[in-house]
Amino acid sequence: EVQLVESGGGLVQPGRSLKLSCAASGFTFSNYYMAWVRQAPKKGLEWVATISTSGSRTYYPDSVKGRFTISRDNAKSSLYLQMNSLKSEDTATYYCARHYYDGTYYFDYWGQGVMVTVSS
Amino acid sequence: DTVLTQSPALAVSPGERVSISCRASEGVNSYMHWYQQKPGQQPKLLIYKASNLASGVPARFSGSGSGTDFTLTIDPVEADDTATYFCQQSWNDPRTFGGGTKLELK
Repeated sequence: EVQLVESGGGLVQPGRSLKLSCAASGFTFSNYYMAWVRQAPKKGLEWVATISTSGSRTYYPDSVKGRFTISRDNAKSSLYLQMNSLKSEDTATYYCARHYYDGTYYFDYWGQGVMVTVSS
Repeated sequence: DTVLTQSPALAVSPGERVSISCRASEGVNSYMHWYQQKPGQQPKLLIYKASNLASGVPARFSGSGSGTDFTLTIDPVEADDTATYFCQQSWNDPRTFGGGTKLELK
């Protein structure tokens, strides 16, 4: 059974940093692209970052490019999201997701999410 | 960015057929996917590449469309289908999601 468990969320002041983690199990982690997707309170979903199987390639939307860094440790089956220069608009539940490839990429498994609140 | 437009909410009775639409601001080929999110839970993949049923998803769910207009159909609707349904495209960068359609049961 595929399991993705996020951790590291919490309350952080604007301009500060926070690092999220995602522990994966139930599949061969190193064979899959992985991603982070967020959801602001009572809002829709926004893709935040994707990383290739080896970690050599990363992808971001403009809204977080230069502030967020996605990384992975295949030996530990773990995914990370380093978030710097946080803004109030980064307040959201952050989901770790497997970014599955089948001619195109889609999110086939999601973690339960971790809440990040950016406020003074 | 590709904007995906969904109706905000729908209300149907159990046993009925419901169609949830998603319109893209530009063509996305058949690279549209659908997710179900129940209250307090994470999203779950229902349909990938417009019309393919994800593993373990009941055959009551189906998807159709290509280009800019897509539809998720549930037939028949059951009480457990109360949720918000999101479409997502992967043809254009960045990947974008629709605003979601909240399905309520009468």
